[in-house]
Amino acid sequence: DAGITQSPRHKVTETGTPVTLRCHQTENHRYMYWYRQDPGHGLRLIHYSYGVKDTDKGEVSDGYSVSRSKTEDFLLTLESATSSQTSVYFCAISDIVTENYGYTFGSGTRLTVV
Amino acid sequence: KQEVTQIPAALSVPEGENLVLNCSFTDSAIYNLQWFRQDPGKGLTSLLLIQSSQREQTSGRLNASLDKSSGRSTLYIAASQPGDSATYLCAVEGAGANNLFFGTGTRLTVIP
Repeated sequence: DAGITQSPRHKVTETGTPVTLRCHQTENHRYMYWYRQDPGHGLRLIHYSYGVKDTDKGEVSDGYSVSRSKTEDFLLTLESATSSQTSVYFCAISDIVTENYGYTFGSGTRLTVV
Repeated sequence: KQEVTQIPAALSVPEGENLVLNCSFTDSAIYNLQWFRQDPGKGLTSLLLIQSSQREQTSGRLNASLDKSSGRSTLYIAASQPGDSATYLCAVEGAGANNLFFGTGTRLTVIP
């Protein structure tokens, strides 16, 4: 989506290695989120941020950490990747909700842990 | 915890039909409800957002309604087209919660 970019788009990594996914926004929105999407589970929140250096856990945060040193960047780190973390990861942004604006999602990162 | 259910899981219709997708949620204390479209291998595209004080929203051939008291929303698609084929996701944001709770989606196929 315009205004929100995820990198990389695809990644294959080995079990036990660290992995960092990046989300970059140009909308100056306060809130940023990381979700994972798995068959049968829908999208589930991993972590979110409500400002620079302000983050909190979501419902599936174990094994993940995040950092937000600038308004525009939100990083998701898998400290030691496991096969259960093979998934599609989506970043989202939001700000004040109006009738025309809610959450906006990036295009996703497909991560495979082998 | 908010649970969101979408029925049916899959739907196949001939081109030109009007159709309804259903979404239900367990906690009526929501801030807003958002409908998304997801094409295979792609991200989520926002279709409609209904704030808790609203009953419906319309955009082109799409109309979404919200009944908070019964925990239900419907997405109505008029005069369906093959280009409407995608997975439709319903998500609710709880009051005071910085999170969207998603259903698992309805996969729609419109047959030419």
